[in-house]
Amino acid sequence: AQSVTQLGSHVSVSEGALVLLRCNYSSSVPPYLFWYVQYPNQGLQLLLKYTTGATLVKGINGFEAEFKKSETSFHLTKPSAHMSDAAEYFCAVSGRTGTASKLTFGTGTRLQVTL
Amino acid sequence: DSGVTQTPKHLITATGQRVTLRCSPRSGDLSVYWYQQSLDQGLQFLIQYYNGEERAKGNILERFSAQQFPDLHSELNLSSLELGDSALYFCASSVVAGEAGELFFGEGSRLTVL
Repeated sequence: AQSVTQLGSHVSVSEGALVLLRCNYSSSVPPYLFWYVQYPNQGLQLLLKYTTGATLVKGINGFEAEFKKSETSFHLTKPSAHMSDAAEYFCAVSGRTGTASKLTFGTGTRLQVTL
Repeated sequence: DSGVTQTPKHLITATGQRVTLRCSPRSGDLSVYWYQQSLDQGLQFLIQYYNGEERAKGNILERFSAQQFPDLHSELNLSSLELGDSALYFCASSVVAGEAGELFFGEGSRLTVL
């Protein structure tokens, strides 16, 4: 079974400041990890994903995340926030079971960017 | 535009009624997923189909059912509706059935049960 915990349901940063959204996962098998973004009145869009290989993953819109197995974490960062980054962000995990599997999402973190 | 089309976008109905939500996946995607998003439950996986066959089942109520047709579109049927069924229902599709595939989400169908 897999689960994710997103720390902080709301995060507010100033424009130009560092964005850090936290995600910890639990998985009984090696995980695949994802970050999705949801803009108002839209569906979810993939930001980035970790499957194998390099633990630092770069995504769209300047976001990146680092897989830390020892900490069971997959935090999302962006060096400099932009107003257009305001959205809800979801961390998700699925397991490498070799069969069809579902994505399990966290409860989401709403990012607010202020001037 | 993700390429996933969901209809209707909004639906208002009464308790006890039945509704059908429709999803057309991206061209070439064989796998369809249904998710329910509500304020209190967050994003909950309901069910997955791959090339017409059920592949994974999540927290789907017995009053709900789904199917994927030969042309790969999918329908989610919700019956004996209750107030608590009010939510945003998302369909997503992917090329593969496995875990590493990116999911492409539609814009959702917002169901309001009065």
